[in-house]
Amino acid sequence: DAGVTQSPTHLIKTRGQHVTLRCSPISGHKSVSWYQQVLGQGPQFIFQYYEKEERGRGNFPDRFSARQFPNYSSELNVNALLLGDSALYLCASSKGQGDPYEKLFFGSGTQLSVL
Amino acid sequence: AQTVTQSQPEMSVQEAETVTLSCTYDTSESNYYLFWYKQPPSRQMILVIRQEAYKQQNATENRFSVNFQKAAKSFSLKISDSQLGDTAMYFCAFGGSTLGRLYFGRGTQLTVWP
Repeated sequence: DAGVTQSPTHLIKTRGQHVTLRCSPISGHKSVSWYQQVLGQGPQFIFQYYEKEERGRGNFPDRFSARQFPNYSSELNVNALLLGDSALYLCASSKGQGDPYEKLFFGSGTQLSVL
Repeated sequence: AQTVTQSQPEMSVQEAETVTLSCTYDTSESNYYLFWYKQPPSRQMILVIRQEAYKQQNATENRFSVNFQKAAKSFSLKISDSQLGDTAMYFCAFGGSTLGRLYFGRGTQLTVWP
């Protein structure tokens, strides 16, 4: 079975632009979470979606938004990019059966550089 | 708010030796979960081991084991018989009541040398 896939793998944007990052979860997984990992730090939680509904949101500005589609894939959108948005964006999927202990499976991330 | 602290930015160990990575956390939640993730240069986060807070017995996964001290809010990772493939960034993480939401430390870069 394929793992969590993210696209693109690398992206270069300029300040003020908009970006869309995509994530396909493992087949059968209904929950998707997004994390931002700035260089030298651990990942920070952005969003969690389950059955197409937002179930959790981290401390990020409204420039960040996301959605989940009927096939459980997800998009993360960032508007009005700032230099500080440069980071590795990680997507994680899980079965989403409501057990917070269940294992998260991560993709290899999208490396976003804002110039 | 939950915080996770890893006080060792870098560690190194010789192949076949044992190394321990430290982690402390702070929370007001009574039921939670603790994890160690490994991030190799491929960038993919890989779960190494996990521990439920209500379980007193320390988790073990082959060469990896934890020392969970609930009262001290400490969760260290011991790697026995270190292998070159263990070279990676290791993150300690806390999971509470919200599915999919983990709080990570800043990581410890582990280098295993021949």
